[in-house]
Amino acid sequence: DTGVSQDPRHKITKRGQNVTFRCDPISEHNRLYWYRQTLGQGPEFLTYFQNEAQLEKSRLLSDRFSAERPKGSFSTLEIQRTEQGDSAMYLCASSLEGVAKEAFFGQGTRLTVV
Amino acid sequence: QQQVKQSPQSLIVQKGGISIINCAYENTAFDYFPWYQQFPGKGPALLIAIRPDVSEKKEGRFTISFNKSAKQFSLHIMDSQPGDSATYFCAARSGNTGKLIFGQGTTLQVKP
Repeated sequence: DTGVSQDPRHKITKRGQNVTFRCDPISEHNRLYWYRQTLGQGPEFLTYFQNEAQLEKSRLLSDRFSAERPKGSFSTLEIQRTEQGDSAMYLCASSLEGVAKEAFFGQGTRLTVV
Repeated sequence: QQQVKQSPQSLIVQKGGISIINCAYENTAFDYFPWYQQFPGKGPALLIAIRPDVSEKKEGRFTISFNKSAKQFSLHIMDSQPGDSATYFCAARSGNTGKLIFGQGTTLQVKP
């Protein structure tokens, strides 16, 4: 399978706990994006990496959120001290750099904070 | 400036009919306009996309019409099928970063 892979697919956690999600992009893609999607809404941009460098972070990404992409391959998104408002689908996408280079999305990680 | 507005929120079409979804944007710096299809519990999948120097693009039953002066674009699904029932999102891409700004989504139901 050469698509974008996300793990886990589902995560239920208690409020206040830390969670970490993983994204494995398409192997030759140098750009990796994280989006958040709440029920009934379109995905919202959180952050993106070009290779290992994190080049932009949305204002949606509070101090409790941190993302890494060591060695420019897989990426992790960590949420510390989760809140009920963090419940959402977290989507990862990857693409090549350049005009009209399409982004491919993973299946997402559904987070439920109880 | 960064918003993409999509309508309608939901759409019911009979099998064989034409489904039309509309989007409008403000930022003229957007350089690429994709449409994504999403089934429940799945990630968005690219359906068709267009660049602003083209007024129309057709792929099979799916057509994008693009009006640069009006800053509007639309998706037409011809001969709609029950298998097309899904949520559709238009998006606009910010050139330098490649990040996508999504519309609010349209839930399409095609009745057999």
